[in-house]
Amino acid sequence: GQNIDQPTEMTATEGAIVQINCTYQTSGFNGLFWYQQHAGEAPTFLSYNVLDGLEEKGRFSSFLSRSKGYSYLLLKELQMKDSASYLCAVRDPFGGATNKLIFGTGTLLAVQP
Amino acid sequence: SQTIHQWPATLVQPVGSPLSLECTVEGTSNPNLYWYRQAAGRGLQLLFYSIGIDQISSEVPQNLSASRPQDRQFILSSKKLLLSDSGFYLCAWSIAGTGSGGYTFGSGTRLTVV
Repeated sequence: GQNIDQPTEMTATEGAIVQINCTYQTSGFNGLFWYQQHAGEAPTFLSYNVLDGLEEKGRFSSFLSRSKGYSYLLLKELQMKDSASYLCAVRDPFGGATNKLIFGTGTLLAVQP
Repeated sequence: SQTIHQWPATLVQPVGSPLSLECTVEGTSNPNLYWYRQAAGRGLQLLFYSIGIDQISSEVPQNLSASRPQDRQFILSSKKLLLSDSGFYLCAWSIAGTGSGGYTFGSGTRLTVV
């Protein structure tokens, strides 16, 4: 089976940097995604990692270590609007063309002034 | 560009009543389609997925069913709702395969069964 672990909640200060960790235990690997979800809204895509290393996209970066089953999402220059849940998801390694994603329970980030 | 529409946005239904949620995708052909449910404070649970017309796979045993009568239409139904069916329902689409494409989600339906 597959299991994904994320911290339930985090708090950070406006202008700071925060790192949200995700560990996964799967019997294979075929890609990891990060999504942002504001309260009451649908998740929106942030990043995709399939190879080890860092993917940078503006204020957001995502890192992957396949050997450790570990990823993190790094948010720089935090803004109040970054207060949201951040969902880590892995593609089902045996899903083939179905592209099924398995989601963690998400990390609720609160950005304080 | 591709867009996904999901409705209604909110729904309050009595226990035992039927349910029909609809999702349509525009601007793409042969999308993979998905129904997820998110209970309060919980993660996204995959309910159904479809890789083509009339091809539906169920991930968890439940009180719900799904249908795909047209290529870009995905419907979630129930004959008799239970209290435990309350939650935030999300439709999503993706291209088939294992590239960098993740999901694009619809705006969601907040279902409260009373």
